[in-house]
Amino acid sequence: SQQGEEDPQALSIQEGENATMNCSYKTSINNLQWYRQNSGRGLVHLILIRSNEREKHSGRLRVTLDTSKKSSSLLITASRAADTASYFCAIIQGAQKLVFGQGTRLTINP
Amino acid sequence: KAGVTQTPRYLIKTRGQQVTLSCSPISGHRSVSWYQQTPGQGLQFLFEYFSETQRNKGNFPGRFSGRQFSNSRSEMNVSTLELGDSALYLCASSSQPTGGNNEQFFGPGTRLTVL
Repeated sequence: SQQGEEDPQALSIQEGENATMNCSYKTSINNLQWYRQNSGRGLVHLILIRSNEREKHSGRLRVTLDTSKKSSSLLITASRAADTASYFCAIIQGAQKLVFGQGTRLTINP
Repeated sequence: KAGVTQTPRYLIKTRGQQVTLSCSPISGHRSVSWYQQTPGQGLQFLFEYFSETQRNKGNFPGRFSGRQFSNSRSEMNVSTLELGDSALYLCASSSQPTGGNNEQFFGPGTRLTVL
């Protein structure tokens, strides 16, 4: 079963607005990772946040992690058309395999 | 460094045939993982190889198999293809086995269509 579950499944916003997507998981983790996938292509690693970290930034991306609630959020500020993609969170399951959620499909409208 | 490469990029097969997909990891990376992505099931882990040894296998039938060579290149094979095997197959490489704080670098994928 999928361990990481993203919410919402789809998000459509205007260019320049901020986009927030959430991820919930069920087990304890060492880290949580966020990936981006442009339509039908490979995944691009965005950010890895460790279990002892609460927030991490990378450019216009901000990731938070709340291990007590078993949840993480990805914020994209000042969105651009190029941010249109699917975003996945992923956790390590059983210490040996990366398990992805179903993803959030983000559309940025010009 | 060159990224992860996968060949072929697109493939059309018919039911009952078999197929072999290839993945060349980033130079120096010894871990290669394979994933299947479908609209219904999402991204599902197939298996991971590290230094020519299979470390872990996902919940897929025995028709799905793989191997890794001494140069870290990996192949996966699907025998007796079924319509449901139509998917995007993604390969990812990493410098260390899955489990640590290391990221995976994904290739562009192979789009397999089974008719």
